[in-house]
Amino acid sequence: IAGITQAPTSQILAAGRRMTLRCTQDMRHNAMYWYRQDLGLGLRLIHYSNTAGTTGKGEVPDGYSVSRANTDDFPLTLASAVPSQTSVYFCASSGLAGTDTQYFGPGTRLTVL
Amino acid sequence: GQNIDQPTEMTATEGAIVQINCTYQTSGFNGLFWYQQHAGEAPTFLSYNVLDGLEEKGRFSSFLSRSKGYSYLLLKELQMKDSASYLCAVLDSNYQLIWGAGTKLIIKP
Repeated sequence: IAGITQAPTSQILAAGRRMTLRCTQDMRHNAMYWYRQDLGLGLRLIHYSNTAGTTGKGEVPDGYSVSRANTDDFPLTLASAVPSQTSVYFCASSGLAGTDTQYFGPGTRLTVL
Repeated sequence: GQNIDQPTEMTATEGAIVQINCTYQTSGFNGLFWYQQHAGEAPTFLSYNVLDGLEEKGRFSSFLSRSKGYSYLLLKELQMKDSASYLCAVLDSNYQLIWGAGTKLIIKP
């Protein structure tokens, strides 16, 4: 692995179902982030983690949860998906939280019907 | 509220120069980033400005005026591969990135 990987690449999900988007980085970065990107809007931060064992809420956290059990992995869970969660989801990481450049994974395209 | 404004779309000719503007109003300022995003791909880092002035990096330059809440990205000697969206993002007082909606740049031969 080199950089950040996300899985799945795309997914179609029935409303009400539970879904976990996976994100793994091999750069030993301390900080990780989850964003959603919708047409006509900027990237919006869902949740973040400044270091393993800690997480925080971003701009649009409702309906999503995260965990950071170790440095490399930062899964995003939708407990009960709704159609408004249809979006492209990007995971990102940076060496440190703050001014360090964020590097992005390839994204997961999620459709909730 | 926090706000980042960029033009939605711009068109330019191959070989020419284009300037993409970004104005911002945020709670605090800890730097401004420019990212490039090709359709269907992830954003990739282009530049970071925290001090006023021009930062040059090959064909791309980025300018910042903190007093005016203004930045621009200057692309020279445009190539077809520069067709992409360009995202402006400001690091606010909580060190969270606030993103503009992006400027779609179309390059014509």
